[in-house]
Amino acid sequence: EPEVTQTPSHQVTQMGQEVILRCVPISNHLYFYWYRQILGQKVEFLVSFYNNEISEKSEIFDDQFSVERPDGSNFTLKIRSTKLEDSAMYFCASSPEGFISGNTIYFGEGSWLTVV
Amino acid sequence: AQSVTQPDIHITVSEGASLELRCNYSYGATPYLFWYVQSPGQGLQLLLKYFSGDTLVQGIKGFEAEFKRSQSSFNLRKPSVHWSDAAEYFCAQGDSSYKLIFGSGTRLLVRP
Repeated sequence: EPEVTQTPSHQVTQMGQEVILRCVPISNHLYFYWYRQILGQKVEFLVSFYNNEISEKSEIFDDQFSVERPDGSNFTLKIRSTKLEDSAMYFCASSPEGFISGNTIYFGEGSWLTVV
Repeated sequence: AQSVTQPDIHITVSEGASLELRCNYSYGATPYLFWYVQSPGQGLQLLLKYFSGDTLVQGIKGFEAEFKRSQSSFNLRKPSVHWSDAAEYFCAQGDSSYKLIFGSGTRLLVRP
């Protein structure tokens, strides 16, 4: 079964450093997402991406965050200058066309980011 | 704004006992509702989903959920819990912009 794959699985970075989290969505999917889960808390929406542009972003997704689909297969989340409170599990997800056709959102295994 | 409520933070059941995890969604003429499970340190696995039609939906691992519009609920059930079911369970609702809104989760502990 096709999967969303994420790398790295775990990254430790120093505060103020830039981090890039990488994702390979399922190949025929059109919608891409990043979600965040701070330890012990619920999964929060960060950003959705469709047709090579951001379709929606949450208030968490401020100017330090950016997303890119550089080569038609990868989907990256960049955090420009990490803060301690960015420590979380980051999930990439993808979906074929949205919900109307009965589709769902498929999640990757996540990337643990620890900022020290 | 849409919201999803899971009133139980923790639930402990004995192995072999039945399980019901509660979920209430805020609104939506045709809510798109999901249950995901997350084992410790793992990703989110889809258990089941409801879009329309039969209000009792079957999922993987023996789980089912019932959509009740009058109660704005989508509770997850399993008739007999196994120790391997211990995990965190998230109810989620899809909104009109094709993103998911998650509840805060319910941690299931299974007593031997």
